Amino acid sequence: EAGVTQFPSHSVIEKGQTVTLRCDPISGHDNLYWYRRVMGKEIKFLLHFVKESKQDESGMPNNRFLAERTGGTYSTLKVQPAELEDSGVYFCASSLLGPLNSPLHFGNGTRLTVT
Amino acid sequence: GQNIDQPTEMTATEGAIVQINCTYQTSGFNGLFWYQQHAGEAPTFLSYNVLDGLEEKGRFSSFLSRSKGYSYLLLKELQMKDSASYLCAVRNGGATNKLIFGTGTLLAVQP
Repeated sequence: EAGVTQFPSHSVIEKGQTVTLRCDPISGHDNLYWYRRVMGKEIKFLLHFVKESKQDESGMPNNRFLAERTGGTYSTLKVQPAELEDSGVYFCASSLLGPLNSPLHFGNGTRLTVT
Repeated sequence: GQNIDQPTEMTATEGAIVQINCTYQTSGFNGLFWYQQHAGEAPTFLSYNVLDGLEEKGRFSSFLSRSKGYSYLLLKELQMKDSASYLCAVRNGGATNKLIFGTGTLLAVQP
């Protein structure tokens, strides 16, 4: 079974540019989460999809961030325009819908550097 | 507010036992997870506790006390490959059941 895959693994962009991160969850996982880790700090929740619907986007920093999950399969996270403080590792995770003990399965992350 | 505390770094010797503690204060509680993360890789699931007590899984065990807001991860017969960051995360309930993470404990296993 393929795990959660994220693309690209690394991205270096200049301030003001746009970047789109992609996440392919494990097949059959209706829950999809985006998290971010800024250097030296904890992994922080950004938002949660159940299938194609946004269940919780309380962690999104501001309106420069836009997440979509059309069709309830893969998801994209767009940052436009990027700022220096957006640098960090963006993780995607997926899980089965329902069981509370269902763990989140994480991808390897996308390391974003804004210069 | 939400707060999860873990030691930043720990060092232990190959073959020994190490205990990594985690204390939490969260608005809700629907279980506590431990994850292992090697540098540059995805966090991988280790254990889940929702009731008080000890859960054992091979060389790794995890303990939970809900009344104390406390958990620990116990690693036995340490191996060099156990050098990694160990993340404590609480599932806080509510509609999203999202995980709230601590900053992680970086464990260095020495020969």
